Amino acid sequence: AQSVTQLGSHVSVSEGALVLLRCNYSSSVPPYLFWYVQYPNQGLQLLLKYTTGATLVKGINGFEAEFKKSETSFHLTKPSAHMSDAAEYFCAVSLYTSGTYKYIFGTGTRLKVLA
Amino acid sequence: NAGVTQTPKFQVLKTGQSMTLQCAQDMNHEYMSWYRQDPGMGLRLIHYSVGAGITDQGEVPNGYNVSRSTTEDFPLRLLSAAPSQTSVYFCASCWGAGGTYEQYFGPGTRLTVT
Repeated sequence: AQSVTQLGSHVSVSEGALVLLRCNYSSSVPPYLFWYVQYPNQGLQLLLKYTTGATLVKGINGFEAEFKKSETSFHLTKPSAHMSDAAEYFCAVSLYTSGTYKYIFGTGTRLKVLA
Repeated sequence: NAGVTQTPKFQVLKTGQSMTLQCAQDMNHEYMSWYRQDPGMGLRLIHYSVGAGITDQGEVPNGYNVSRSTTEDFPLRLLSAAPSQTSVYFCASCWGAGGTYEQYFGPGTRLTVT
């Protein structure tokens, strides 16, 4: 089955430390890949996406992600965490199946930033 | 632009009651979706629409109906509410093509069914 796996439902980092949120997908063909962020009591908003071309993608708020086909991964990173980064992060894929594109979301990783 | 708006923000229903969650967008997007968000389960697609007059089922459609009479509006109807439908509901409209589309989410409706 085609799916998205986010390792770690909760991740804690200290302010100023590296943020690494993991996402792996399973698909027979490379999908389109996305990261979304959800702040408390809000809807999701797009952080970044990979479609084609350069495998290192830069997004908003200093986040970036690298598509690694050999590892079927699309991990999200930020060099230095800020308190305002505390939120829930969702990885998603867009896969072509049964004649249409379908979006599949991971189960989310809640990021806590410690002062 | 207001983007994607949803009403109400909060709702409490008794088992068996029906209601409609409203969703509107002013970005002229053809593709719209309804999701429910439950702890530890991410977002699950309920129904979606690729344009006015066209709707289709997602992953968890049972107990919900949708219609799309205009590009702007995509209401979600709960026919007979059950406690299992307690959740946060998000409407989204999509921009893009060929699978690369980006989703724009509304602020959500938090529904409790007692």
